[in-house]
Amino acid sequence: AQSVSQHNHHVILSEAASLELGCNYSYGGTVNLFWYVQYPGQHLQLLLKYFSGDPLVKGIKGFEAEFIKSKFSFNLRKPSVQWSDTAEYFCAVNGPGGFKTIFGAGTRLFVKA
Amino acid sequence: EAGVVQSPRYKIIEKKQPVAFWCNPISGHNTLYWYLQNLGQGPELLIRYENEEAVDDSQLPKDRFSAERLKGVDSTLKIQPAELGDSAVYLCASSLDGTGGTGELFFGEGSRLTVL
Repeated sequence: AQSVSQHNHHVILSEAASLELGCNYSYGGTVNLFWYVQYPGQHLQLLLKYFSGDPLVKGIKGFEAEFIKSKFSFNLRKPSVQWSDTAEYFCAVNGPGGFKTIFGAGTRLFVKA
Repeated sequence: EAGVVQSPRYKIIEKKQPVAFWCNPISGHNTLYWYLQNLGQGPELLIRYENEEAVDDSQLPKDRFSAERLKGVDSTLKIQPAELGDSAVYLCASSLDGTGGTGELFFGEGSRLTVL
């Protein structure tokens, strides 16, 4: 069955610490991969996406993610987090045509000032 | 550019009552989705529309849930009668290229339902 697994449900970091959020997926065939973010009181929005080409993709606010096909992973990274990165992060995947996007359970990140 | 608009933002009802949620997608987005988000979980697809046609409603509990997208623009999701377990956030999303594209989703702020 198609699924997305996010390894950490809650992460607490201090400002300037490095961040890596794990994401593994189970999805046959070609995939499009996404990280969405939901800041407190706001709607879900796209952070970054991968659908072809360079497996290292860069998104907004200094985030990046690396697609490792052999590991079925798409981990999110940021070298130095800020208090404003406090949010919930969702990894998501869909297949050719972008028909059905499946989301992970989300990781709540809290950054201490 | 206006985003996806949903209403109401919050709704509290007693069980067995009906409830309806409305969504207006981004102008020009042909594909519209309704997602359900339970506490502590990621969004789960309920139904997907391509224009006015429901092309994937396999996860919609059809005994009590219904949806429509007349004229292929805004959409309504209805629950009748509501049950305690329906308490959740109902998310509407739209995409420009649901067919043949990457399906990048643009979400509304959601409608939080509490069933007492």
